[in-house]
Amino acid sequence: KNEVEQSPQNLTAQEGEFITINCSYSVGISALHWLQQHPGGGIVSLFMLSSGKKKHGRLIATINIQEKHSSLHITASHPRDSAVYICAVRSPPPLLGSGTYKYIFGTGTRLKVLA
Amino acid sequence: EPEVTQTPSHQVTQMGQEVILRCVPISNHLYFYWYRQILGQKVEFLVSFYNNEISEKSEIFDDQFSVERPDGSNFTLKIRSTKLEDSAMYFCAVGGGQTEAFFGQGTRLTVV
Repeated sequence: KNEVEQSPQNLTAQEGEFITINCSYSVGISALHWLQQHPGGGIVSLFMLSSGKKKHGRLIATINIQEKHSSLHITASHPRDSAVYICAVRSPPPLLGSGTYKYIFGTGTRLKVLA
Repeated sequence: EPEVTQTPSHQVTQMGQEVILRCVPISNHLYFYWYRQILGQKVEFLVSFYNNEISEKSEIFDDQFSVERPDGSNFTLKIRSTKLEDSAMYFCAVGGGQTEAFFGQGTRLTVV
């Protein structure tokens, strides 16, 4: 079983729809990232969350630490939002001087928004 | 301007050849990471680098791989003798700690 699970794997929406992508994880974390990967392959960091909720433009990300769950919402979706959205969790802080944070990635959600 | 730039964006190499992938951060960072993504699969952790030494590495990061910061700025990933299965997108990331990580655009490595 993957330590980071995303759902759905694929999502097709009509322009203007409200979209939700979910991420559940089974390991302890110090933060969670939502990333966007475009067809060309490049990765862009959208949010880093350790609690609560963040909003940037039409994107909203929430996290529930107790339930080990995070959601990414896109309001008023647009075809340019079409991409793969990846949830990545960051390991707990390393012991002082003994290491770095490590990221575990979900398999991604492929979103296609139709005009 | 991106926080980190990777070069080359795409490299094609013959099996058995050595390749060096480069990562150039804009500002000073202490934490560096290499990840790879085989086509159609999820991103996988390769290695983390802190204070000029390897901090952690995955089982993928075997003796064929090495990392270094040759001039205190660039961060490189070397694959000594490439195999077909090394074909993947390789991502460098910098930052971390209390700040978010920044990812490079990736280098697409194709081994033929």
